[in-house]
Amino acid sequence: DIQMTQSPSSLSASVGDRVTITCRASQSISSYLNWYQQKPGKAPKLLIYAASSLQSGVPSRFSGSGSGTDFTLTISSLQPEDFAIYYCQQTYSIPQTFGQGTKVEVK
Amino acid sequence: QVQLVESGGGVVQPGMSLRLSCAASGFTFSSYAMHWVRQAAGKGLEWVAVISHDGSNNYYVDSVKGRFTISRDNSKNTLYLQMNSLRAEDTAVYFCARDRWELVQGHDYWGQGTLVTVSP
Repeated sequence: DIQMTQSPSSLSASVGDRVTITCRASQSISSYLNWYQQKPGKAPKLLIYAASSLQSGVPSRFSGSGSGTDFTLTISSLQPEDFAIYYCQQTYSIPQTFGQGTKVEVK
Repeated sequence: QVQLVESGGGVVQPGMSLRLSCAASGFTFSSYAMHWVRQAAGKGLEWVAVISHDGSNNYYVDSVKGRFTISRDNSKNTLYLQMNSLRAEDTAVYFCARDRWELVQGHDYWGQGTLVTVSP
């Protein structure tokens, strides 16, 4: 199985900050990488698919980049509604696997 | 609008069975592969299973192979997860989710989840 490792596991940031979360795959996954946001008690929400494509309805302050084994999710200017847990997911092979999550907290 | 509504969760003893359902509406259900993803309390997401749009193919995470069966009834717009020989480690919120495209672009719509608790 492909292991997905996110860093950091948590971070503290302020509204307006630029935030970057990293996801590393245990082997090359081309661009088969997706990012989700999850808020407490809610289902995950797809933000980015295919490493860098913005899902419809997602604000443009979210962006994704990378290919192969190293990927990043960037929030250009953190908004109050962005405090949440973020997960990466590889869809290169079955089983599809998620990273352990990165919690973005208020500084 | 797209809606996915899970049901069937509950409290069961180890070794028992449970069947989850996911009722879909607002899109052409028979055109999309569908997934189950679970999340134990306070933990991360774990992909469980996927079924192709027509039910002809399905895949599972190793930990549930031979115990769980994913199926669908396209005439009823409903996805199922039959869970047998349940273990304590199967305790989680189970989400159904729609496949965005060809199993490679993630899950674009999710249900609200249904809680399964396996406890003596």
